[in-house]
Amino acid sequence: DSGVTQTPKHLITATGQRVTLRCSPRSGDLSVYWYQQSLDQGLQFLIHYYNGEERAKGNILERFSAQQFPDLHSELNLSSLELGDSALYFCASSVAISEKPTSGNTIYFGEGSWLTVV
Amino acid sequence: DQQVKQNSPSLSVQEGRISILNCDYTNSMFDYFLWYKKYPAEGPTFLISISSIKDKNEDGRFTVFLNKSAKHLSLHIVPSQPGDSAVYFCAASGVDSNYQLIWGAGTKLIIKP
Repeated sequence: DSGVTQTPKHLITATGQRVTLRCSPRSGDLSVYWYQQSLDQGLQFLIHYYNGEERAKGNILERFSAQQFPDLHSELNLSSLELGDSALYFCASSVAISEKPTSGNTIYFGEGSWLTVV
Repeated sequence: DQQVKQNSPSLSVQEGRISILNCDYTNSMFDYFLWYKKYPAEGPTFLISISSIKDKNEDGRFTVFLNKSAKHLSLHIVPSQPGDSAVYFCAASGVDSNYQLIWGAGTKLIIKP
């Protein structure tokens, strides 16, 4: 158990709909990351939040948005869903004690939220 | 431009033998490297890391080797066990990526009984 909690574990929804995925990071972790893994694809970095502020953006579609709340949990909002958005969405967290890190740190992944768009 | 490359999409190894997974990187500013293991439909699990001040790090059956001059790292698993069958990702980070992890595409390891 990594200590990162994601809900829901599975979600089936129709095209055009909107869903929200939730992530609770490990206790004490300030950084939250979102990743997408489509079938047989590698890990695609979507976005990184540090202590409530967006730090880095990856291959995140404009239809997708995220935020990190004062209690450090995060939500990933996916709207106008398309069939191709069906994927495993992972949240990860890390300590990242500094806004401008000077060394690498390890990130820990949750179990993922499996989204199926039909 | 892929900064972290895992050139073998898959690798098959006999149980009990050594598994060697390879990863190459292009950015000489990377100074922290990690290996993750991932089972289907589960989140990646952190395995082992190494910083650029070392050339080897061991944790049980897992050893990571770093060759900075060749910009190459490898993960050795000895002895290989059936439960090691998974996809292995390497990742790297450095100051010029603000320590965002740059991921390889993964190598699927299959341990044959």
